[in-house]
Amino acid sequence: KNQVEQSPQSLIILEGKNCTLQCNYTVSPFSNLRWYKQDTGRGPVSLTIMTFSENTKSNGRYTATLDADTKQSSLHITASQLSDSASYICVVSVMGGATNKLIFGTGTLLAVQP
Amino acid sequence: EAQVTQNPRYLITVTGKKLTVTCSQNMNHEYMSWYRQDPGLGLRQIYYSMNVEVTDKGDVPEGYKVSRKEKRNFPLILESPSPNQTSLYFCASRLFSVTEAFFGQGTRLTVV
Repeated sequence: KNQVEQSPQSLIILEGKNCTLQCNYTVSPFSNLRWYKQDTGRGPVSLTIMTFSENTKSNGRYTATLDADTKQSSLHITASQLSDSASYICVVSVMGGATNKLIFGTGTLLAVQP
Repeated sequence: EAQVTQNPRYLITVTGKKLTVTCSQNMNHEYMSWYRQDPGLGLRQIYYSMNVEVTDKGDVPEGYKVSRKEKRNFPLILESPSPNQTSLYFCASRLFSVTEAFFGQGTRLTVV
């Protein structure tokens, strides 16, 4: 069964600190993996995409990693800001058919406190 | 501005009273879908559409209907809402060839 699991479920950190969110997946055949940010009361927005051949990709203070062998990804946030408070959702794309199917993780709720 | 627009943003209704949540996108995307988001369960797909007049069930389709008469619009219909359909609903669209989904602002539905 295709599954995406994220940890931790929630996280509280102080402003300026770093944090790392984890995503483990059992998906086949794998196409790519995206991290989305969902602000409270808004729809998710894509932060970054990781394909099979990529190990690391940065988007400002966000750095995503992918280990295709162990089927794990992480999202590292550097020098956190209050605006980073949000839910972060890992979404893995499964190849097949006319278009890929998206498998959603349940998200990690991050709270950045002053 | 490229966007997915849902209406209404908030809706409180009574059990059994039919309702429609509208969704429109201006990006000429072929693929549109509806999700519900519940605490601890994440986003679950209700229905999706690969093109005009082509719709199919997602993972949790019971109690919902959709239609795709035009490429830009994909309304979600609850013929007889029940309290277990109280949830946060999102419409999303994307191109076939790209896996980035663009989401609407969400509709928070409460059925009493």
